[in-house]
Amino acid sequence: DVKVTQSSRYLVKRTGEKVFLECVQDMDHENMFWYRQDPGLGLRLIYFSYDVKMKEKGDIPEGYSVSREKKERFSLILESASTNQTSMYLCASSRVFPDIPYEQYFGPGTRLTVT
Amino acid sequence: KNEVEQSPQNLTAQEGEFITINCSYSVGISALHWLQQHPGGGIVSLFMLSSGKKKHGRLIATINIQEKHSSLHITASHPRDSAVYICAVSSYNTDKLIFGTGTRLQVFP
Repeated sequence: DVKVTQSSRYLVKRTGEKVFLECVQDMDHENMFWYRQDPGLGLRLIYFSYDVKMKEKGDIPEGYSVSREKKERFSLILESASTNQTSMYLCASSRVFPDIPYEQYFGPGTRLTVT
Repeated sequence: KNEVEQSPQNLTAQEGEFITINCSYSVGISALHWLQQHPGGGIVSLFMLSSGKKKHGRLIATINIQEKHSSLHITASHPRDSAVYICAVSSYNTDKLIFGTGTRLQVFP
């Protein structure tokens, strides 16, 4: 079974703090994704990584950065947390097959509250 | 206009009812995904399909590529089916997904 784990289920941080969200997958997947999920807006892609040290901006990268130093680990960093970053954050991973779509496997999510 | 539209946004049913959730998309796709998210929980993939129909237990997913439309059916619904169902598409030449906003289903005993 593919397993994607996230470092925290719930997190409360203060405005201006630097926040690290960690994601680890155990299936040697090439692709890893960070999403945020907000009511009425669905899932929105923040950043995508297709290989170690490779990253691509998603739809809403402002205020976020990412790090992928090892294949199994993908970190999302909020450089200076703000209240509008209060959200559910979901990590996902998938394999890459040329020209063949592949399902994504999701972590349990981290509900971040910034006060 | 969103590239992936789901309807209805909210759905309430009595246990045993047949349920249909619809998804329409406006982009070329290589596959369509149906995902399930229970309250407070992560997301699991139910189906990935690029043509025809797939069945798993009481769940059936269909897709009509020409009409750019998919449906998720739940037969003999049960309270444990209560969840948010999300439609997503894989567009060509990308590993990224485009998501609908989800359908919240509540099934009452």
